[in-house]
Amino acid sequence: GAVVSQHPSWVICKSGTSVKIECRSLDFQATTMFWYRQFPKQSLMLMATSNEGSKATYEQGVEKDKFLINHASLTLSTLTVTSAHPEDSSFYICSARGRGQGSYNEQFFGPGTRLTVL
Amino acid sequence: RKEVEQDPGPFNVPEGATVAFNCTYSNSASQSFFWYRQDCRKEPKLLMSVYSSGNEDGRFTAQLNRASQYISLLIRDSKLSDSATYLCVVNPFISSGSARQLTFGSGTQLTVLP
Repeated sequence: GAVVSQHPSWVICKSGTSVKIECRSLDFQATTMFWYRQFPKQSLMLMATSNEGSKATYEQGVEKDKFLINHASLTLSTLTVTSAHPEDSSFYICSARGRGQGSYNEQFFGPGTRLTVL
Repeated sequence: RKEVEQDPGPFNVPEGATVAFNCTYSNSASQSFFWYRQDCRKEPKLLMSVYSSGNEDGRFTAQLNRASQYISLLIRDSKLSDSATYLCVVNPFISSGSARQLTFGSGTQLTVLP
């Protein structure tokens, strides 16, 4: 149990376009989803936290108008990178926590989406 | 100072060796501690939680020293398949509601050589 999927697994796009990444909890209801970004040889950096049905909470330095997060249901959150630029190229990973899933603080990670902006 | 600091390595060890990773955290109010493993170009996966009393899972032993704000991971009889990046992860506080944030260290890279 506790499987999280992401789609797409990788995407290449032109500079200036927008890219939507989906994160789904397949077998549990995700009350909270987290979006992370990881640059090569660096740590995962939390971008934002979203609770179902409410606005996402963004970390300092993350532009909410550029990284649009929607957590419309208990099984789906989306991250849209608007007007992507080469510096947005990164590995984007979501994680989810649900009621009664795993230990108190455990998060279940999606497989990640590798974004390359040309 | 980073919230969670790890020696980045890389650690290159022969098969069968014992290797230890260390991690320090800055927030004394941190409540939960974990070691995750991340393979190249993959998502992190929970290896084990870390408890004050220390805990062991097969070849892996984790220790927590709250007074020194220090966490360790010991891998005995290392296998080729242990090659990965090991992430020290801390839950820095207990917030209200259901959100539980994790702070990741930058990871320690391990390569087990044949």
